[in-house]
Amino acid sequence: DAKTTQPPSMDCAEGRAANLPCNHSTISGNEYVYWYRQIHSQGPQYIIHGLKNNETNEMASLIITEDRKSSTLILPHATLRDTAVYYCIVRTHYNNNDMRFGAGTRLTVKP
Amino acid sequence: NAGVTQTPKFRVLKTGQSMTLLCAQDMNHEYMYWYRQDPGMGLRLIHYSVGEGTTAKGEVPDGYNVSRLKKQNFLLGLESAAPSQTSVYFCASKDDGDREAFFGQGTRLTVV
Repeated sequence: DAKTTQPPSMDCAEGRAANLPCNHSTISGNEYVYWYRQIHSQGPQYIIHGLKNNETNEMASLIITEDRKSSTLILPHATLRDTAVYYCIVRTHYNNNDMRFGAGTRLTVKP
Repeated sequence: NAGVTQTPKFRVLKTGQSMTLLCAQDMNHEYMYWYRQDPGMGLRLIHYSVGEGTTAKGEVPDGYNVSRLKKQNFLLGLESAAPSQTSVYFCASKDDGDREAFFGQGTRLTVV
C-alpha cells in the first residue's frame, strides 16, 4: 500500500469546518483513499472513502486532487464530539491486501 | 447484530504467561485483522487473515501467533508474554472489495 503523510495535530473552532489533509504521493491507480477516526480509546470508526471522485456522506466530504496525490477530509460543522484521531489510509482491493494505519492527525475541536 | 466482539476486555498477565485473545464477527466477513496500539501511537498491524484457514504477517508479528480455523473467529496468541506487549489490542473485520472495516472495542493487556 502507498504510504500517507498527515500533520500530527490540528485545532478547529466549534461550528467551523475542519479540513484535514493527507498526502499520498505514491498512490497507484487501483488504490482507494479511506478515512477512519478514533475517539478517545474506542475502536476506529469508518468515515468515508473514494477512488478519484469527490465523495460526500452524512459525516463528511472527501476531496481528492485530480492527480490523486493528496486528499482532504472535510467536517463541515465541527462539534466537540468530533475531537478524535483521524487516519488516512490508501489501499487496493486486490491481491489479498493488508490494511495499515499511520499515526494519524489528532483533531481538537475547541469551544 | 453484535458486529465485532473481543474477549476479554481487560487482562493482566505475568511475564512468561501465555494467553489467547478472541475476536468474533457475525457479518460473514472474509478479512480479519489484529492491531496493537501503544499510548499516544497509531495502530500497528500484527497479523491478518484473508479467509478461513489463512493468516499472514503484518508490521509487528514477532511474539504473536494467530489462527483462523473458523471464518467468524480470529485468535491472537501470546506464547510467553513480555512487558513490551503491554498494549491495547484491536481486532477488525472487513468484507472483500470496496467495503469499510469494522472494529472491536479493544482488549487492554498489561504484562507485569
